[in-house]
Amino acid sequence: NAGVTQTPKFQVLKTGQSMTLQCAQDMNHNSMYWYRQDPGMGLRLIYYSASEGTTDKGEVPNGYNVSRLNKREFSLRLESAAPSQTSVYFCASSEITDSYKYTQYFGPGTRLTVL
Amino acid sequence: AQSVTQLDSHVSVSEGTPVLLRCNYSSSYSPSLFWYVQHPNKGLQLLLKYTSAATLVKGINGFEAEFKKSETSFHLTKPSAHMSDAAEYFCVVRETGANTLFFGTGTRLTVIP
Repeated sequence: NAGVTQTPKFQVLKTGQSMTLQCAQDMNHNSMYWYRQDPGMGLRLIYYSASEGTTDKGEVPNGYNVSRLNKREFSLRLESAAPSQTSVYFCASSEITDSYKYTQYFGPGTRLTVL
Repeated sequence: AQSVTQLDSHVSVSEGTPVLLRCNYSSSYSPSLFWYVQHPNKGLQLLLKYTSAATLVKGINGFEAEFKKSETSFHLTKPSAHMSDAAEYFCVVRETGANTLFFGTGTRLTVIP
């Protein structure tokens, strides 16, 4: 049981290049999330998918697109990378459930540098 | 609207002394509150959560937090710091019924030998 996995772990891009960050979970969760983490700003939600077939914008969606490929996988795409997108990206998953059980589980992160 | 304020960006304690990491929240309804820990170059791990049951919540590694509605606070404490507690700690809020979390900006805990 690997939990939430992310690939790649590290990536360096040039301005204008595109790339896709991959995320998969094996906990049979319905909901999946993408966050970015910047120094002094905590984690900010980029996009989330409450269930297979749905996606919604979070706090900072500009410059990103997402695809919920199936229940297990949720990818984040940068179409034209900019230096402002240099960050650490975390994927998370959770079950839609009552408050008592709700918890988000996080992957190890992808460290992205855009030159 | 929900928000979280972590009152200290950096806390430094000596090994064996108590830890106090402060968190205040604002929420329209009855929130769920969480503390997550992030060790250097690692992902986030859940320490504990409050979900309207007991107001004193015990978590992993000897940490606990007390929900005080009158003070809108959810401070994290530990009686005796260990070197392995050095990490960044995030206070997080979830509105009732919401499917998203809102993170504080984090508190970096340093433990001095």
